[in-house]
Amino acid sequence: QVQLEQSGAEVKRPGSSVRISCKVHGSPLNNYAFTWLRQTPGQGLEWLGGIVPIVDRSNTAQHLRTRITITADKSTRTVYMELNGLTSEDAAIYYCARDRPSGNSPFFDYWGRGTLITVSS
Amino acid sequence: DVVMTQSPESLAVPLGERATINCRSSQRILSSVNNRDYLAWYQQKPGQPPKLLIFWASTRESGVPDRFSGSGSGTDFTLSISSLEAEDVAVYYCQQYFSSPLTFGGGTRVEIK
Repeated sequence: QVQLEQSGAEVKRPGSSVRISCKVHGSPLNNYAFTWLRQTPGQGLEWLGGIVPIVDRSNTAQHLRTRITITADKSTRTVYMELNGLTSEDAAIYYCARDRPSGNSPFFDYWGRGTLITVSS
Repeated sequence: DVVMTQSPESLAVPLGERATINCRSSQRILSSVNNRDYLAWYQQKPGQPPKLLIFWASTRESGVPDRFSGSGSGTDFTLSISSLEAEDVAVYYCQQYFSSPLTFGGGTRVEIK
């Protein structure tokens, strides 16, 4: 049974960084890519980027490229997303999801339960 | 970017009746290579992540009840719930995966009337 176990909610100061983890259970890490998305009431669901762990190749959203880093640790079966320079606009629920490959962009068959990030001074 | 527009924003349907949700893409998401529409539908209940219902516009994910169906092609798509049940109360999203960045519709809230 595939489960994506995300780290817990955090409260961060503006300008700081956050690192969220996503531990993969029940799925071979090397056979899939994994994606990070976020959800806010105002912006809806937004794609942030993804990683193919077997080749350690990541791809991120253009408007976040200078602030986001997505990595994978194959030894612990964990995918990470780090976002720097936090502002109030980064407050959201962050999800990791497993890609179902399509040949183009992916869609997602398994999701983590989400990590709430609050940005507040 | 491909903009996905859903309608209506919300709808209330009596139990046992049909619910219909529309999704329109700003560009065609039908591939001329494989003749497939790169569209997925998700269901999200309060406090839960989205759940995959439909992909390739009309292929039901394993375990999804057959009262859920997807149709449409090109730029106009529909998710139908043939006979609404109480457990179907949720927000439904469409997603295009034809091009990067992948994008989602704004969601449609389905309630019981």
